[in-house]
Amino acid sequence: ETGVTQTPRHLVMGMTNKKSLKCEQHLGHNAMYWYKQSAKKPLELMFVYNFKEQTENNSVPSRFSPECPNSSHLFLHLHTLQPEDSALYLCASSQVRTNEKLFFGSGTQLSVL
Amino acid sequence: GQQLNQSPQSMFIQEGEDVSMNCTSSSIFNTWLWYKQEPGEGPVLLIALYKAGELTSNGRLTAQFGITRKDSFLNISASIPSDVGIYFCAGDQGAQKLVFGQGTRLTINP
Repeated sequence: ETGVTQTPRHLVMGMTNKKSLKCEQHLGHNAMYWYKQSAKKPLELMFVYNFKEQTENNSVPSRFSPECPNSSHLFLHLHTLQPEDSALYLCASSQVRTNEKLFFGSGTQLSVL
Repeated sequence: GQQLNQSPQSMFIQEGEDVSMNCTSSSIFNTWLWYKQEPGEGPVLLIALYKAGELTSNGRLTAQFGITRKDSFLNISASIPSDVGIYFCAGDQGAQKLVFGQGTRLTINP
């Protein structure tokens, strides 16, 4: 148990579907992140939220829409994805002042058909 | 953007052997980190390095922050089966942006 919980663990969706990924952290952190992990590629930062305000969008296509209602919860809304979006999506949290120490969830393995 | 070159990409060793992997960059980082990812899980922080030349241990793991601030290595001594996984280096370029290496996949033969 890492203190960062992601659901669902696995998701298969068609290109016309709308789905959401959920992340919850129980560590009292104030920063939350979405990362994408594709096979044989380094982890890619997607979004950063500090105190529930978005501070970083790493040129992510608009078919990925994040939402951070509070410092403990983070969502990633998915709409009209492409097969190349299939990957492991990792949520992470940290304290803003020690932001290099990321605590990751187990990820959602997404397959887009 | 900045890239980290992590090597080797994979290692196949016998239980009990020592392991060494490294990361290099063309850019300077103020912090180097090493993470381990096991199948079906997210990466877990193993060691964080904050000063050039710093040598830090965590059990059988030892990591060093290179003097030039452009490289770091991780050593694992006397490997055991639970060391299996993918090890990632990461450099902190500030503004909450970590740059990750491609990972070293460690396989251990009992």
